[in-house]
Amino acid sequence: DTEVTQTPKHLVMGMTNKKSLKCEQHMGHRAMYWYKQKAKKPPELMFVYSYEKLSINESVPSRFSPECPNSSLLNLHLHALQPEDSALYLCASSQEGRLTNTEAFFGQGTRLTVV
Amino acid sequence: DAKTTQPNSMESNEEEPVHLPCNHSTISGTDYIHWYRQLPSQGPEYVIHGLTSNVNNRMASLAIAEDRKSSTLILHRATLRDAAVYYCILSGSWGAQKLVFGQGTRLTINP
Repeated sequence: DTEVTQTPKHLVMGMTNKKSLKCEQHMGHRAMYWYKQKAKKPPELMFVYSYEKLSINESVPSRFSPECPNSSLLNLHLHALQPEDSALYLCASSQEGRLTNTEAFFGQGTRLTVV
Repeated sequence: DAKTTQPNSMESNEEEPVHLPCNHSTISGTDYIHWYRQLPSQGPEYVIHGLTSNVNNRMASLAIAEDRKSSTLILHRATLRDAAVYYCILSGSWGAQKLVFGQGTRLTINP
């Protein structure tokens, strides 16, 4: 199984809602990542978890709150988002938290629309 | 993070080879060169990576210049399914924990 599974595939939420994005992998990877991708732009890193601990936060606003309950699961909790936060949210994993000589596996993403 | 430069777009024909260039003149000695691609409506997909020597796998070949300031991703026989945005990424120093995507090259394959 070389899949990173993200749910839901699509999400529409209001600016006062609270929702969560979920990401799961069963490859035994110990690093997991959240990326944000706006239309026709490259993915931008948001967070990195290594061995279930947050190791990188790329100055992401606090309305995005990541959580890594175990080594297979990564959540992104959303609260009080703005319309400009509408984007494709991508999850990825890698064997370890060092991407020098290894590959990352990406999920298909959650397309989020904030209304 | 060391920067890469790629053409915005390229076009090729089905069943012909495609050479996708990438310049990385500020590459450091410990940077690996990675290529990912993103098909329409999908997440990025790993293609290949290398350090100094040329590399081959079932998807593509990676040719790295002797001075490592540039590299070329080679798709030997393009198919329509290879139409995607191709990203050339430098891994950063040993222990680097992130992939920083540049603008990439949008590859169009004509039937």
